[in-house]
Amino acid sequence: SQQGEEDPQALSIQEGENATMNCSYKTSINNLQWYRQNSGRGLVHLILIRSNEREKHSGRLRVTLDTSKKSSSLLITASRAADTASYFCATRSNDYKLSFGAGTTVTVRA
Amino acid sequence: DTGVSQDPRHKITKRGQNVTFRCDPISEHNRLYWYRQTLGQGPEFLTYFQNEAQLEKSRLLSDRFSAERPKGSFSTLEIQRTEQGDSAMYLCASSMYREGEKLFFGSGTQLSVL
Repeated sequence: SQQGEEDPQALSIQEGENATMNCSYKTSINNLQWYRQNSGRGLVHLILIRSNEREKHSGRLRVTLDTSKKSSSLLITASRAADTASYFCATRSNDYKLSFGAGTTVTVRA
Repeated sequence: DTGVSQDPRHKITKRGQNVTFRCDPISEHNRLYWYRQTLGQGPEFLTYFQNEAQLEKSRLLSDRFSAERPKGSFSTLEIQRTEQGDSAMYLCASSMYREGEKLFFGSGTQLSVL
């Protein structure tokens, strides 16, 4: 079973627009991470937010975490065609295991 | 840092055959993971090694699946008597314990069972 659930399942935006996707999870966590996957490839780590943090930035990425609601959001600003990919949230509840959600597929139109 | 490499990239096999996949993690990483991913889903945890010790196996890993990591270096995942339901992308990832937080993934092995 998967810990996280992303919303929406799919998102289509125009180049230059912002993309926001959400992740909800079920159990308490140590940290939450976001990964990107291009079609047919492995996953690439984007950003990590710890359970005692509320917001984190990395370049055009902004992640928020609300542990009381067990939810997180990922914002990609000024999207580019190269941002077209699937985005997954992953939660770490113990020392080693990451549990992934089903992902949000983002399509950026030129 | 040459990244995590997986071999083969694609494998087509007939139902009932055995298949073996290989993963070479980033050399200094002591943790290695196997995940399985089907179309439209996120990766599902299969098993985890710290050095050569296999510390957890998911209940998804039936008796037909076995994984090894001899000498704490590369790892192999074998599936015996493959079934059509085994068709999936098999992903390997590694991490360094002290950094322990983020995983570095290989490009995966796409298995198709006919």
